[in-house]
Amino acid sequence: DIQMTQSPSSLSASVGDTVMITCRASQNINSDLSWYQQKPGKAPKLLIYAASSLQGGVSSRFSGTRSGTDFTLTIRSLQPEDFATYFCQQSYSSPVVTFGPGTRVDFK
Amino acid sequence: QVQLQESGPGLVKPSQTLFLTCTVSGDSISGGSHFWSWIRQLPGKGLEWIGYVYYGTSTYYNPSLKSRVTISGDTSKNQFSLMLSDVTAADTAMYYCARESWNLFYFDFWGPGALVTVSS
Repeated sequence: DIQMTQSPSSLSASVGDTVMITCRASQNINSDLSWYQQKPGKAPKLLIYAASSLQGGVSSRFSGTRSGTDFTLTIRSLQPEDFATYFCQQSYSSPVVTFGPGTRVDFK
Repeated sequence: QVQLQESGPGLVKPSQTLFLTCTVSGDSISGGSHFWSWIRQLPGKGLEWIGYVYYGTSTYYNPSLKSRVTISGDTSKNQFSLMLSDVTAADTAMYYCARESWNLFYFDFWGPGALVTVSS
């Protein structure tokens, strides 16, 4: 099974900061990775797919990159609405896909 | 705009069968352009993909749950359903239905979720 880890598990930041969240796959998954944002009591929202493609309607402050089996979600100029939990999801082993454990971003 | 909405009992007794329905609007579950999935989120934990239906009738399940899961589609109502048998407290979770890309396997539209508690 492909295991996904995320770091950090949580972080504190301020409005205007640039935040980077890393997702690491236990093996090569090409660019078969998506990122989601989840706010309390809400369903996850797709931000990025294919490692770096921005989903329609998502702010350009969000971006995704890949380096080998490491994937990074960058949030530039953090806004109040960005405080949430972020999950990565690999689809290399589709149809069985797996999610990372999540990274919570809260106010410093 | 695609919308999904889960419905079903919020409380299920141990050893019984959990049953949820997802009603879809703005797209057709029989169209074949997407998979229609169930995903659950255990309390305070991560997300687990359960399975999907496509073309309204074909299915694929997560091997970890396969022995207990049935997903079916009702194309006349544009709905798909989840049955999870022999539930235990470990199946207490928020259950989401979602639309899944057929080629890149990401989830672009989600229902708001249905909390199911397994308790006697």
